[in-house]
Amino acid sequence: EILLTQFPATLSVSPGERATLSCRASQSISRNLAWYHQKPGQPPRLLIYGASTRATGVPVRFSGSGSGTEFTLTISSLQSEDFAVYFCQQYNGWPPSITFGGGTKVEIK
Amino acid sequence: EVQLVESGGGLVKPGGSLRLSCAASGFTFKNAWMSWVRQAPGKGLEWLGRIKSRSDGGTTDYAAPVKGRFTISRDDSKNTLHLQLNGLHTNDTAVYYCTTEGVRGVYFDHWGQGTLVTVSS
Repeated sequence: EILLTQFPATLSVSPGERATLSCRASQSISRNLAWYHQKPGQPPRLLIYGASTRATGVPVRFSGSGSGTEFTLTISSLQSEDFAVYFCQQYNGWPPSITFGGGTKVEIK
Repeated sequence: EVQLVESGGGLVKPGGSLRLSCAASGFTFKNAWMSWVRQAPGKGLEWLGRIKSRSDGGTTDYAAPVKGRFTISRDDSKNTLHLQLNGLHTNDTAVYYCTTEGVRGVYFDHWGQGTLVTVSS
């Protein structure tokens, strides 16, 4: 099973600042990585797939990068609605063996 | 607008069974590959399995921990996805989400609000 490690576990950021979240895979997953965020009481929302492609309707302040085992989600200027838990998810291999990272909580500093 | 509405959750005793449903609208359900994902209280996300569209074979794939206990099916005439849960354990307690799969890989572009399954004696 491919393990995903997210760090940091918690990120304290002021509104308007830049946030950088990391996700490391235990083996190469090419660019088969997605990012989601989740607010309390809500389902996750897809932000990024294919490591760097923004999903429909996702603001341009969200960007993804990386390949292989190291991936980054950057939020260029945090808005109040961006404070949430962020998960990465890999979808490499066949048959599908889908795993999620443990999450990074982005909180208001 | 894509809508996914799960139902069927509730309290069940260990060893019991439950059938969850997901009513889909706002897209061509028969062409969609669908998955179930769950989230234990205060925990992370766990993919359970998926079903392809009938035109792509209608086959299913499952995560190892639930293979043989959980069964995914679909009724395209009713735009409904099902998840049959058998042999439930207390650690199956979670919110169960119905999701659509992306067209370029097994990521999840639309989610329902989820239905809570509580396994307790």
